[in-house]
Amino acid sequence: QKEVEQDPGPLSVPEGAIVSLNCTYSNSAFQYFMWYRQYSRKGPELLMYTYSSGNKEDGRFTAQVDKSSKYISLFIRDSQPSDSATYLCAMSRIINNDMRFGAGTRLTVKP
Amino acid sequence: GAVVSQHPSWVICKSGTSVKIECRSLDFQATTMFWYRQFPKQSLMLMATSNEGSKATYEQGVEKDKFLINHASLTLSTLTVTSAHPEDSSFYICSAREGANEKLFFGSGTQLSVL
Repeated sequence: QKEVEQDPGPLSVPEGAIVSLNCTYSNSAFQYFMWYRQYSRKGPELLMYTYSSGNKEDGRFTAQVDKSSKYISLFIRDSQPSDSATYLCAMSRIINNDMRFGAGTRLTVKP
Repeated sequence: GAVVSQHPSWVICKSGTSVKIECRSLDFQATTMFWYRQFPKQSLMLMATSNEGSKATYEQGVEKDKFLINHASLTLSTLTVTSAHPEDSSFYICSAREGANEKLFFGSGTQLSVL
């Protein structure tokens, strides 16, 4: 079993839709949970960061962590074509150290 | 924001040759840099952790003699793929942080193709 599982998609939605991206994990020691956006053949850029369980909102993006279920989510409201990218979840026991990544979900938002 | 520059962005080489990839932090001192490999439609796999002035720590299964990492200064780390073979073809990405609890910044990646 992989430490971090993420459905690679692809996921295609119309502009304005709410997008739900998810990851599950097996290591209960993970404390820090991140979502990165990666455009084709570019390095990932950090979107959201959450410590332990709970919700965090930043503009159109909401990150949720449920440690009891070992399940994290990223919601994108009012999705835009510019949101089209691959979204990677990542997690670690220690902040910004020894991070484990999901495979990434490729999202396309159609105008 | 902080910028990490990775060079080259794309390289093609013949089997058996060595390739060096550079990762530079442009506006901060990177005490720690990380090197990852990413195959198509797969996750980033951590290869090694590099602290300035000390030997890199390699993940299990990563050959240290094949993937030479040097972090001689606070702004530069290099990854040298020695005697590259077609199976080494992959997307290599570096990341860097200033301190233990500081934000991580990623380079733009290097696509290596070994013929």
